[in-house]
Amino acid sequence: RKEVEQDPGPFNVPEGATVAFNCTYSNSASQSFFWYRQDCRKEPKLLMSVYSSGNEDGRFTAQLNRASQYISLLIRDSKLSDSATYLCVVKVYNQGGKLIFGQGTELSVKP
Amino acid sequence: DARVTQTPRHKVTEMGQEVTMRCQPILGHNTVFWYRQTMMQGLELLAYFRNRAPLDDSGMPKDRFSAEMPDATLATLKIQPSEPRDSAVYFCASSSRDTSTDTQYFGPGTRLTVL
Repeated sequence: RKEVEQDPGPFNVPEGATVAFNCTYSNSASQSFFWYRQDCRKEPKLLMSVYSSGNEDGRFTAQLNRASQYISLLIRDSKLSDSATYLCVVKVYNQGGKLIFGQGTELSVKP
Repeated sequence: DARVTQTPRHKVTEMGQEVTMRCQPILGHNTVFWYRQTMMQGLELLAYFRNRAPLDDSGMPKDRFSAEMPDATLATLKIQPSEPRDSAVYFCASSSRDTSTDTQYFGPGTRLTVL
């Protein structure tokens, strides 16, 4: 079983739709949580960190449930430019900044 | 706009050949990571360095892979001899442990094909 699991998708949604991605992690010592975005044939880039109280950045909302070891990302009013792969990432306590990446969830937003 | 650079961007080689990939981390970043990405396995951490010292290379096949940081501005990943199963995109990332965000910034990757 992978340490970080995501639904690989693809999620095909129309412009303007709301879409949610889920992620579970297995290591209870996981300390920090992130969502990265990766465009086709490009490098991953940090989209947002995920805080215990939940946080929002424009159309993007991230939630964390430590008890269930579950992270989510909600995208509202999706745009064509949101099409990418979204990677759920955890950092485990005391492993020197090492990040564990999920396989990624592919999103395709159609006109 | 500071960014991580990697060379070469693309490499095609034959099985058995030596491959060297280079990475220049963002100036001032003291932690450098090497990742490999394939369709099957996703992003896997191969090795990382802090202040040029190797901290963890448990993700790297030791018999053929080696990673070094000859100085603070250069990290190298070498495969010798290369095999077709090494075909992947190899990313370098850097971060600064001195900041509260500790964000990793990725380079554009080296796309390696071993025939």
